[in-house]
Amino acid sequence: DAMVIQNPRYQVTQFGKPVTLSCSQTLNHNVMYWYQQKSSQAPKLLFHYYDKDFNNEADTPDNFQSRRPNTSFCFLDIRSPGLGDAAMYLCATSRTTRVRETQYFGPGTRLLVL
Amino acid sequence: KQEVTQIPAALSVPEGENLVLNCSFTDSAIYNLQWFRQDPGKGLTSLLLIQSSQREQTSGRLNASLDKSSGRSTLYIAASQPGDSATYLCAVGDFTGGGNKLTFGTGTQLKVEL
Repeated sequence: DAMVIQNPRYQVTQFGKPVTLSCSQTLNHNVMYWYQQKSSQAPKLLFHYYDKDFNNEADTPDNFQSRRPNTSFCFLDIRSPGLGDAAMYLCATSRTTRVRETQYFGPGTRLLVL
Repeated sequence: KQEVTQIPAALSVPEGENLVLNCSFTDSAIYNLQWFRQDPGKGLTSLLLIQSSQREQTSGRLNASLDKSSGRSTLYIAASQPGDSATYLCAVGDFTGGGNKLTFGTGTQLKVEL
């Protein structure tokens, strides 16, 4: 089945230690998104890629970076995680260009910062 | 800036009841509205997508309506079942950067009891 895969499902890191979260998709979609969801809060868009074009949200901290080496993969890099970065990180994809397209979400990676 | 509100934050109903979840948004210039389901510790599953030109969408026991002028949407669940227990998120979409940018509400946590 075509899907969005996130690895790892759970990630524990230390305060200030760089961490990378991975997302892959078999849907061949043009757009990949990263959302941050803190406990009992709404998912918040961090940034998205439209093909190779990177679109950063205005209020996304500089501590968060992303890479998309090819259509299938997208990475979220947190350069110096703080305690406030503990959250569920959701990756999503869409075909884009058409507003009738839905977004397909992966299962998420739960990040714990010690 | 778009803001999405969902009421109630939590809801508990006995099995078999029909129920309505509410979503409101502040900026009516949207392209679409989606309802998602999120099980504990999991990613998001898209339930229904309503385009801005549509007034409702139906899928099985679910019916979602959209009133763009008043900034409101409702999700109607008929004959609720324990398996419907989850958090339901509403998200509105606008078309920026070539992708369908979503702004989420904080969700309604639904519990359907036997």
